[in-house]
Amino acid sequence: QVRLVESGGGLVKPGESLRLSCAASGFTFSDYYMSWIRQAPGKGLEFISYISKSSTYTNYIDSVKGRFTISRDNAKNSLYLQMNSLRAEDTAIYYCARDGQRSPEWVDPWGQGTLVIVSS
Amino acid sequence: DIQMTQSPSTLSASVGDRVTITCRASQSISSWLAWYQQKPGKAPKLLIYKASSLESGVPSRFSGSGSGTEFTLTISSLQPDDFATYYCQQCNSYSWTFGQGTKVEIK
Repeated sequence: QVRLVESGGGLVKPGESLRLSCAASGFTFSDYYMSWIRQAPGKGLEFISYISKSSTYTNYIDSVKGRFTISRDNAKNSLYLQMNSLRAEDTAIYYCARDGQRSPEWVDPWGQGTLVIVSS
Repeated sequence: DIQMTQSPSTLSASVGDRVTITCRASQSISSWLAWYQQKPGKAPKLLIYKASSLESGVPSRFSGSGSGTEFTLTISSLQPDDFATYYCQQCNSYSWTFGQGTKVEIK
């Protein structure tokens, strides 16, 4: 079955970095766009970034541009999110999700999420 | 960016009720809208895509309608498993966005 498993979350101080990973299985990873979405504690969902099938295209929300970098390794069926210069407002559960095959669209399935806490 | 506004923010209903949630887009998104259900402590689950297409395995009591800027998610007969938070998502632009969510509570 299709499965996405995130890892790499944790507690970091403001200004520090963290790299999230998402291991995919059960589908042809290289056939899909992939996305990262986050959810601050008790809040709604926020799209962060997507990456195209061959990494040609990426997109970010304004609040993470220049600080976060999405990447993928199709040989390893893995998605990554490098997060630098972390801020308190980046505290959230981070989900990876499978996106569309021709363009970014609805996402399904989602991983279980990994919690990132940014606090001094 | 396209803004998505859901209403109501909270909805109290009883088992068996017909429930309707509305999502409005700040500009036309054609039919590029999806609906998700999220239960506490769990990842969201896709219910409806392209405004009205039911995702495989989702009960037929869920339905979606609309196009352009106004969309609805309807649960024809609310079941105990349906108490959750529901989000709409536009995927018309290359920077897609979610509505703020509608929590369906037990009345």
